Order: sequence, then C-alpha cells, then structure tokens
Amino acid sequence: ETGVTQSPTHLIKTRGQQVTLRCSSQSGHNTVSWYQQALGQGPQFIFQYYREEENGRGNFPPRFSGLQFPNYSSELNVNALELDDSALYLCASSLEGGLYQETQYFGPGTRLLVL
Amino acid sequence: GQQVMQIPQYQHVQEGEDFTTYCNSSTTLSNIQWYKQRPGGHPVFLIQLVKSGEVKKQKRLTFQFGEAKKNSSLHITATQTTDVGTYFCGTSNTGKLIFGQGTTLQVKP
Repeated sequence: ETGVTQSPTHLIKTRGQQVTLRCSSQSGHNTVSWYQQALGQGPQFIFQYYREEENGRGNFPPRFSGLQFPNYSSELNVNALELDDSALYLCASSLEGGLYQETQYFGPGTRLLVL
Repeated sequence: GQQVMQIPQYQHVQEGEDFTTYCNSSTTLSNIQWYKQRPGGHPVFLIQLVKSGEVKKQKRLTFQFGEAKKNSSLHITATQTTDVGTYFCGTSNTGKLIFGQGTTLQVKP
C-alpha cells in the first residue's frame, strides 16, 4: 500500500455533467500529479500541483482543472464531460515537485464511465 | 515533446519461459522508471535507473539502462503466473511522468 487514497472508486456520469475526483497524498508528500489512463493505454499526464500551485500541465483542455489544499490533498474537476473522458483517473504523490526525480506513488484510481 | 516507445504490446509465454520488454526514446533520458500494473489495478513502482549502462536486479527481474541513455529493458527469468500484468516504462521530466504504451504479459500455466 502506498498510502495514497482516492475517492470515489467508481463513478458513472452522463455527457455534459461535471465531476470532482479526490486524492489524499502520502504523508509527508507535498506534490500530487493526476493522470488519465484510457483502456489499454499508458497513463497520460494531466497536471501536477506542488505546494498548492499548478506546476506543469499536459495536453488536456481547460475543462480539466484542479486544486491542491494546504494539507496537500487534491481535487480534479472535469466540466462538460464527454464520452472520451471515460477512463481510470490516477493520482500520484511525491516530494518537491519531482525536481529530484523522486518516485511517484500511485493511488488505486477512480474509474469514470461517461454515458 | 519527449516520447518513449515500448515493444512488444503483448506477449504470451508458457510458465517458466523468459520475457523481455523494451523501451526506446529518440532523445537522451535523464532517468527511466519501470512500473507494473496488475489487471484492474494501478501502476506500482518497480525501480528507477539513472546511470548510463546501469543494471539492477530484483530477484528474477533484471533492468538495464542503455549506454546512450536512450533505451531500457526489463527481463524476467522463468516467468510465473504471478508475473501477469502490464509493464510500463516511464521517464520523469520535472515531475511529469511520460509513460510508454506498456507491454501486457500473459503467462500460461
């Protein structure tokens, strides 16, 4: 177990709806990264939060947004859901924004299905 | 942007046979990380390599980083059914992990 938790574990939404996914980082970690993993694919980087600020973003539209709280837990928000947003959403926690190439520890993920 | 290509996409082996997956990049990598994802699970960190020509072993798993730091391999000796899953290589670039497409290993008992 990595100590990284995510909620909910599964979620079903319809097109056009909004969703919020949550992640609690491992104790002592100040960085949370979010990834989208479509079926049969490798995880794709969405963005990273380091000390409550966005610290890098992948190739995802602005309807994907996030937050990091003072306790370093994080939220991923997706607006105007599309069918292609159906995927496993993973968060990973690490130290110091990845500056020193530290290991990232993944949570169990949230499986989102958009109908 | 930086990309890592991984082959093969799938591999079916008989239990006891060896297995290798390869990761390649057109650019020099500062590091390579390997993860295992069991069916229905999440990626679990296996190892990180940072030095040119580095070789690390974990029981039946051998990880190599190429001399030019543009390729890496994971070799499993005498596979077991517990080795089933998808193996991903990835490289960390200022905290952003870039993953390969993964190699899914099936082991026939």
